[in-house]
Amino acid sequence: EVQLVESGGGLVQPGGSLRLSCAASGFTFSSYWMHWVRQVPGKGLVWVSLINSDGRTTSYADSVKGRFTISRDNAKNTLYLQMNSLRAEDTAVYYCARGLYSSSSAWGQGTLVTVAS
Amino acid sequence: QSALTQPASVSGSPGQSITISCTGTSSDVGSYNLVSWYQQHPGKAPKLMIYEVSQRPSGVSNRFSGSKSGNTASLTISGLQTEDEADYYCSSYARSSTLFGGGTKLTVL
Repeated sequence: EVQLVESGGGLVQPGGSLRLSCAASGFTFSSYWMHWVRQVPGKGLVWVSLINSDGRTTSYADSVKGRFTISRDNAKNTLYLQMNSLRAEDTAVYYCARGLYSSSSAWGQGTLVTVAS
Repeated sequence: QSALTQPASVSGSPGQSITISCTGTSSDVGSYNLVSWYQQHPGKAPKLMIYEVSQRPSGVSNRFSGSKSGNTASLTISGLQTEDEADYYCSSYARSSTLFGGGTKLTVL
């Protein structure tokens, strides 16, 4: 069974940092492009970042470029999102997702990040 | 990186059909057949309903269908059922990024 389990969310002050993790199981993690998508509670989905299967290609939404870094450890079957210089508007549920453009799409249950003083 | 445009809400009665539109530009929806549709129930993760404009993943009811014309993609749900009541999001590949629509709340009256 394909599973994606996010962790690392929590309460952080503005300007602070947080690292999210997404543990993958049930499939060959190293074969898939992966994404982070966020959702403010009660609002819509917003794409954050993607990374290709070997980690050499990444892309970011303009709103997080220069502050967030996506990475992966294929040996540990884990996806990461390092979030620095956090702002109140980064408050959201963060989902990791596999295969946004294909039948292999799968999502985790999300982890809540709250940026507040 | 502007969001795709969806109606905020649509409604229908059980057994009826509804269509949700998703309008992008020639740089995203109009250029790629990589449009997906997701269903999201409250408190749950999104679930893929349509990929590559009109393909249905295994396990998704054939009451769900997708199409595209120019810069606008559409999701049609036929034979509405109460369990179809949810939020629906379109997404499109857009040159090394992904755009989502703002979401459409489907109410089954």
